[in-house]
Amino acid sequence: DTGVSQNPRHKITKRGQNVTFRCDPISEHNRLYWYRQTLGQGPEFLTYFQNEAQLEKSRLLSDRFSAERPKGSFSTLEIQRTEQGDSAMYLCASSLERGGSTDTQYFGPGTRLTVL
Amino acid sequence: QQQVKQSPQSLIVQKGGISIINCAYENTAFDYFPWYQQFPGKGPALLIAIRPDVSEKKEGRFTISFNKSAKQFSLHIMDSQPGDSATYFCAASARGNNRLAFGKGNQVVVIP
Repeated sequence: DTGVSQNPRHKITKRGQNVTFRCDPISEHNRLYWYRQTLGQGPEFLTYFQNEAQLEKSRLLSDRFSAERPKGSFSTLEIQRTEQGDSAMYLCASSLERGGSTDTQYFGPGTRLTVL
Repeated sequence: QQQVKQSPQSLIVQKGGISIINCAYENTAFDYFPWYQQFPGKGPALLIAIRPDVSEKKEGRFTISFNKSAKQFSLHIMDSQPGDSATYFCAASARGNNRLAFGKGNQVVVIP
């Protein structure tokens, strides 16, 4: 399967714990995005990378959230001191930037986080 | 604020019928309008997308109609099948800004 993969698929944690999610994009894609989706809502943009550079962060991304893409390939999203409001599906997407036109974003299956 | 608004919230269609979902936007800088399909527990999958230089795009049973002056676009699913039962999201993004703004989604149920 050459699509976007995410691990773990499900994570249950207690409030106050730290969690880390991983995303592996489609291999030749240079852009990687993180979105968050709560029940009954569309995905909301969190942040995106072009290669290893984090180019944009939403104000939804509080200082408890950090994302990295150290070698321009896979990415991790860490949430520190989790809160019940962090419970959501965390989606990763990737795209190939072709200079000027808007890229098509392909989504992974998501990581569902439940904070107890 | 919701940059992209979808209607109706949910839709029940008989097998073989046409499902129509509408989307409206405000930001005139948007120049890319995709529709995504999502099944429970899965990530969104791109169905079809359109840019404002055309008014209609068709791929198989799926058609996007785009009305630039009204700032609206819609998804038509022809010959709806039970396997089309899913949540459909419209989205939009602007040139030079790759974040997708999604609508809240429409749940479509196709009954046999």
